[in-house]
Amino acid sequence: AQSVSQHNHHVILSEAASLELGCNYSYGGTVNLFWYVQYPGQHLQLLLKYFSGDPLVKGIKGFEAEFIKSKFSFNLRKPSVQWSDTAEYFCAVMKNTGNQFYFGTGTSLTVIP
Amino acid sequence: DTEVTQTPKHLVMGMTNKKSLKCEQHMGHRAMYWYKQKAKKPPELMFVYSYEKLSINESVPSRFSPECPNSSLLNLHLHALQPEDSALYLCASSADQKHGYTFGSGTRLTVV
Repeated sequence: AQSVSQHNHHVILSEAASLELGCNYSYGGTVNLFWYVQYPGQHLQLLLKYFSGDPLVKGIKGFEAEFIKSKFSFNLRKPSVQWSDTAEYFCAVMKNTGNQFYFGTGTSLTVIP
Repeated sequence: DTEVTQTPKHLVMGMTNKKSLKCEQHMGHRAMYWYKQKAKKPPELMFVYSYEKLSINESVPSRFSPECPNSSLLNLHLHALQPEDSALYLCASSADQKHGYTFGSGTRLTVV
């Protein structure tokens, strides 16, 4: 079955540690890729997106993600996390045809001061 | 205007009540969506409207009834809900595949 996988369900890091959250998808064809963040009690906010061009994309708040087509992956990275990065992170895929998002199961990140 | 506005922000309703959730966007997006989200879970798609026509209904119970009066508005009518329907209901809109969704802040619904 086609899906979006986030293998890290809960990640706990100390401030200043580096972060990498995995995202793999299994859809064929051209896809557009997104990472959303949801801070406690808030709505989903777009962190970054990829649809073509440079596979390394930079987003807000110092986040970046790399699209590796051969691995069907779009991992999220940040060199040095802050306590304020504590949130739920969702990877999402949208096929180039159609307008439906497919969300991953999410990763809960807790940053300890 | 780059926002999706949802009202009310919070709603508590009894199982026999009828209420409506409202969603509005003025970005000219022609696709609008309703999602349901439980705590620490990904949003689950309920309905998709494309050019004011219902294009996807993900087997949602009939106690949820969507309506798209025009290209800027999306409603979700609620009737005879169950306590397990308590969740955050998110509205989103999109222009095309490349730009993803813009989400509203949601309505936190509690059914008592």
